[in-house]
Amino acid sequence: SQQGEEDPQALSIQEGENATMNCSYKTSINNLQWYRQNSGRGLVHLILIRSNEREKHSGRLRVTLDTSKKSSSLLITASRAADTASYFCATDAGNQGGKLIFGQGTELSVKP
Amino acid sequence: DAGVIQSPRHEVTEMGQEVTLRCKPISGHDYLFWYRQTMMRGLELLIYFNNNVPIDDSGMPEDRFSAKMPNASFSTLKIQPSEPRDSAVYFCASSPRAWQPQHFGDGTRLSIL
Repeated sequence: SQQGEEDPQALSIQEGENATMNCSYKTSINNLQWYRQNSGRGLVHLILIRSNEREKHSGRLRVTLDTSKKSSSLLITASRAADTASYFCATDAGNQGGKLIFGQGTELSVKP
Repeated sequence: DAGVIQSPRHEVTEMGQEVTLRCKPISGHDYLFWYRQTMMRGLELLIYFNNNVPIDDSGMPEDRFSAKMPNASFSTLKIQPSEPRDSAVYFCASSPRAWQPQHFGDGTRLSIL
């Protein structure tokens, strides 16, 4: 079963608006990662947040992690049409031998 | 940095045929992962290797699927015999160490008629 569950499944916004995607997971983790997938391409790593971190920034991306609620959020500020993609969270699900468990993803559409 | 290289990018074949997907990971990466992605089931981990040794193949759907990693720079995923329900996009990914960011290839889009 999937460790990460993203919410919402799909999100449609206008260019310039902020986009927030959420991820919940079930077991304890060492780190949580966010990936982006453009249509027809492989996943691309965006950001990694460790279990002892609460917030991390990278350019227009802001990730928060609440280990007490077993949840994370990805905020994309001032969205652009080029941000249109699917976004996935992935966790190590504790000690699982090096693999990541991916959620089902949020499909983001940014309209110009 | 050439990234993870997968071949072929597209494969269309008839049911019953053998299919071989290929992957060249990033040099120096100790971990290699094979995933399958469909609309219905999302991204599924099939098998992964650490230093060329298979660690977990519990995601391999059935005996028709097999994977090998004969050396650090090459891996194959084979389906024999193929079935229409195997149609999906198959991704290979590599990472330098456990639980570190994975680098994905652009996948092989497989269609079994």
